[in-house]
Amino acid sequence: GAVVSQHPSRVICKSGTSVKIECRSLDFQATTMFWYRQFPKKSLMLMATSNEGSKATYEQGVEKDKFLINHASLTLSTLTVTSAHPEDSSFYICSARDRGEPWANTEAFFGQGTRLTVV
Amino acid sequence: DAKTTQPPSMDCAEGRAANLPCNHSTISGNEYVYWYRQIHSQGPQYIIHGLKNNETNEMASLIITEDRKSSTLILPHATLRDTAVYYCIVSLGGSYIPTFGRGTSLIVHP
Repeated sequence: GAVVSQHPSRVICKSGTSVKIECRSLDFQATTMFWYRQFPKKSLMLMATSNEGSKATYEQGVEKDKFLINHASLTLSTLTVTSAHPEDSSFYICSARDRGEPWANTEAFFGQGTRLTVV
Repeated sequence: DAKTTQPPSMDCAEGRAANLPCNHSTISGNEYVYWYRQIHSQGPQYIIHGLKNNETNEMASLIITEDRKSSTLILPHATLRDTAVYYCIVSLGGSYIPTFGRGTSLIVHP
């Protein structure tokens, strides 16, 4: 299957600093990417939908100024957690779909996730 | 998107078939059923999907009832590496954003 690469896999940062997470589709073009957050023993919660060349769409309750999303190309989306706090510590996961496939009948491909710890 | 109901946990002996049920009684005619799984501390992995017909691939089989109100994911010969949380998702095309419920935590034991 198609590959989505997420980097870094783990990051520890100090409170108040910013952290950037990259999500790349390695062998396909992704018009749309999705960003999720997952707390321990909980399910994945959609944070935002990232569209190439336009502004991201954020889910209710997700601060767009805190979680900056940039989708500058068809193979790269970035999530920047600004002014991170300990409560932002979580598992962040990106997902992408192949723009070349019929929209209705394709699976989403997921990155391996980024474990963020804010100390 | 239609909601799904899955048992919170199941267990299975290694080498035996694991049958994971999912109820989606409000599914509409053009919604697909997708299955993903998430092994601890990894991103979700696509398993299989279908619309009406039963589907089989190298990982699993998907059995969808005739009325499409429920489905079963079958792992024919479960291994310890199949221990994971399994998510059943139904979704429309055109606005398909994978939205995850609680899933079923499958534990495969020796």
